[in-house]
Amino acid sequence: GAGVSQSPSNKVTEKGKDVELRCDPISGHTALYWYRQRLGQGLEFLIYFQGNSAPDKSGLPSDRFSAERTGESVSTLTIQRTQQEDSAVYLCASSLGTSFQDIQYFGAGTRLSVL
Amino acid sequence: DQQVKQNSPSLSVQEGRISILNCDYTNSMFDYFLWYKKYPAEGPTFLISISSIKDKNEDGRFTVFLNKSAKHLSLHIVPSQPGDSAVYFCAASATGTYKYIFGTGTRLKVLA
Repeated sequence: GAGVSQSPSNKVTEKGKDVELRCDPISGHTALYWYRQRLGQGLEFLIYFQGNSAPDKSGLPSDRFSAERTGESVSTLTIQRTQQEDSAVYLCASSLGTSFQDIQYFGAGTRLSVL
Repeated sequence: DQQVKQNSPSLSVQEGRISILNCDYTNSMFDYFLWYKKYPAEGPTFLISISSIKDKNEDGRFTVFLNKSAKHLSLHIVPSQPGDSAVYFCAASATGTYKYIFGTGTRLKVLA
């Protein structure tokens, strides 16, 4: 596709339920990132995938959060047993992945509301 | 610990005048800096970047200045246009790492 695509654009869930968020990166981009933006705050790094290397999970806030990526394609971010503090916009980005100076291109995000 | 700080949450500027957005960082390992612009309900879009080997980078109406000794960078928009109204985030990264550390953003409003 032309850009990074995320789905759903909005998700409302009840506390305690699991949610799955999807990201389709730009074709040919080997690097994929997940960020979270809480209300009034900056973007917070969650996890980074680069090709077949082990992902950098250093930003995941708890073991309720996990993410997968198959090869260089789609990624899913799963939040188990959601809590109200998980409410945020979850943003996915992709980059060529050849240099740390490669620009990250962002999707429009998934707005998650946990009631 | 906020490694990248944007201390002005909002800024209003008249159309045609200069907009100056500021960003401070604490980690001396950062050597690559970026500015992103974000409109409501859209993802951030890349605006301009600068490597630590430079102190200025210019792209049309947008110029980024880097003062390494002060650990400070700024984005200048000249002349400002109403379409520039958005939230601006600065971000930083370090050689060998791929994740960006973002500031909290500055909401710019350009008044017609």
